[in-house]
Amino acid sequence: QKEVEQDPGPLSVPEGAIVSLNCTYSNSAFQYFMWYRQYSRKGPELLMYTYSSGNKEDGRFTAQVDKSSKYISLFIRDSQPSDSATYLCAMSATGGFKTIFGAGTRLFVKA
Amino acid sequence: DTGVSQDPRHKITKRGQNVTFRCDPISEHNRLYWYRQTLGQGPEFLTYFQNEAQLEKSRLLSDRFSAERPKGSFSTLEIQRTEQGDSAMYLCASSLGLKRDRGETNYGYTFGSGTRLTVV
Repeated sequence: QKEVEQDPGPLSVPEGAIVSLNCTYSNSAFQYFMWYRQYSRKGPELLMYTYSSGNKEDGRFTAQVDKSSKYISLFIRDSQPSDSATYLCAMSATGGFKTIFGAGTRLFVKA
Repeated sequence: DTGVSQDPRHKITKRGQNVTFRCDPISEHNRLYWYRQTLGQGPEFLTYFQNEAQLEKSRLLSDRFSAERPKGSFSTLEIQRTEQGDSAMYLCASSLGLKRDRGETNYGYTFGSGTRLTVV
């Protein structure tokens, strides 16, 4: 079993839809939770960063962490065609900076 | 500062040849990481440096792989006797690790655009 599980998709939605992306994990030591966006032939770009449990909002993006269920989510409101990319969840343990990534979910937003 | 730079962007090499990649991190970042990514997968950790010290290496990093970060600035990743299984995107990232009273703080990475290696 992988430490971080993420549905690879692809996920196709119409423009303006609310998108929900999710990951589950098995290592209870993880304390830092991140979402990265990766466009084709580019390196990942940090979107959201959360420490421990709770919600964090930044513009159209909301990240949620539920440590009791070992489940994290990213919500994208009013999705745009420019949001079409691969979204990677990532996490690391306190005091350690090795970050473990999910396999990524490919998202397509249709105009 | 233009972010994390990687060179070359693409490298095609014959099996058995040695290759070297370079990464220039964001200048004020003290931590530097190498990851490998294959098609349809997320990045896999290879190694990381704090300043010039290599602090952790993945078991993915066989003895054919070596990484250096002289003087805590740029880093190089060398692969000796390349194999077809080494074909992947090699990503470099940097971050600023800060110490606080309750422990260190992880602010996430800034990645470069990667070096795509094809071994034929």
